[in-house]
Amino acid sequence: EVQLVESGGGLVQPGGSLRLSCAASGFTFINYWMHWVRQVPGEGLVWLSRINSDGSSILYADSVKGRFTISRDNSQNTLYLQMNSLRAEDTAVYFCARAARDGYNRDLGYFDYWGQGTLVTVSS
Amino acid sequence: DIQMTQSPSTLSASIGDRVTITCRASQSISSWLAWYQHKPGKAPKLLIYKASSLESGVPSRFSGSGSGTEFTLTISSLQPDDFATYYCQQYNNLWTFGQGTKVEIK
Repeated sequence: EVQLVESGGGLVQPGGSLRLSCAASGFTFINYWMHWVRQVPGEGLVWLSRINSDGSSILYADSVKGRFTISRDNSQNTLYLQMNSLRAEDTAVYFCARAARDGYNRDLGYFDYWGQGTLVTVSS
Repeated sequence: DIQMTQSPSTLSASIGDRVTITCRASQSISSWLAWYQHKPGKAPKLLIYKASSLESGVPSRFSGSGSGTEFTLTISSLQPDDFATYYCQQYNNLWTFGQGTKVEIK
């Protein structure tokens, strides 16, 4: 069974840092591209970042470029999101998601599994 | 950036109703559109990909249609488990979600 479990959320002061983790199990993690998505309370889903299988190709949304860093440890089956210079508007539930692949190991673009999310609150 | 606009934002319906949610893209995305169901505190769930392909294990009462800039998600007969928020997502150019449609009990 595919499982994605986020952790590392909590309360942090403005300007502070936090590192989120996403522990993957039930599939061959190294074969899959991964994403981070967030949801501000009461609002919709917003894509943040994507990393390819070996970490050599990374994309960010403009809203977090330069402040957030996505990475992965394939030996530990874990995805990370390092968040620096946090602002009140970064308060949200953060989800990791797996990018769907076809039988030829090609990325299909959409997300076939998600975690339940971890809450980050930025407040003094 | 591609913007995705869903309507309505909230929908009140009864068990057994046919429900339709619309998603409009700010530019053509061909058929690169997915639909997700999300319940509070749970992981979002993939329902539809490539505009009209049903994800394995998803009940056949869910269907998707459209291409270009106009898309719809239809639930043919609303069931108790279907009360949730639904999001469209384009994956033609990066990834953008609609603002969501909350399906409530009437």
